[in-house]
Amino acid sequence: GDSVTQMEGPVTLSEEAFLTINCTYTATGYPSLFWYVQYPGEGLQLLLKATKADDKGSNKGFEATYRKETTSFHLEKGSVQVSDSAVYFCALTVDNYGQNFVFGPGTRLSVLP
Amino acid sequence: KAGVTQTPRYLIKTRGQQVTLSCSPISGHRSVSWYQQTPGQGLQFLFEYFSETQRNKGNFPGRFSGRQFSNSRSEMNVSTLELGDSALYLCASSTRLEYQETQYFGPGTRLLVL
Repeated sequence: GDSVTQMEGPVTLSEEAFLTINCTYTATGYPSLFWYVQYPGEGLQLLLKATKADDKGSNKGFEATYRKETTSFHLEKGSVQVSDSAVYFCALTVDNYGQNFVFGPGTRLSVLP
Repeated sequence: KAGVTQTPRYLIKTRGQQVTLSCSPISGHRSVSWYQQTPGQGLQFLFEYFSETQRNKGNFPGRFSGRQFSNSRSEMNVSTLELGDSALYLCASSTRLEYQETQYFGPGTRLLVL
């Protein structure tokens, strides 16, 4: 079946450090890939998405590139802030209308001042 | 445009009881999906409703059910609650018009079963 694997957390970084959260996937079809972020006490918010190979999604300084050859969608940010502390979920959908999302386990990021 | 809203935000129930959760999608969105989030299992898809019909279903027992109304609002019901049903229940909405489109999530209902 379809699945998403993320690096184990928690990840603790100092402010202005470089962030990478690894995400790899297996999918039966051609998926769209997403990164969602969950702040404490809140639901999930879309961070970025990519729908085909070599697409780069970007938002709020975060970036991820859809790598079909390595089935990966790693999240990066050049300089993290304390306000980036949250749980990050990599997800995919292969449904035509994207109704059944498959999520990774989430990676908790803590950024220290 | 208002986001996805869920009520109530918090619930405490005891084993054996039943519970109903409500989700109002973004205006114009006709698809509502439900997810269960637990520390052990992560985020798992429960089911999706579109035009008042269940279109997709995850791997959950029949105690979990739902429905959708003509105004696209959706309810989820869990009967005969078990301790393991304690979780954050998230709903998400979309238009179901675009190929593999984004889902927009509500803040969730946190259910505690004692």
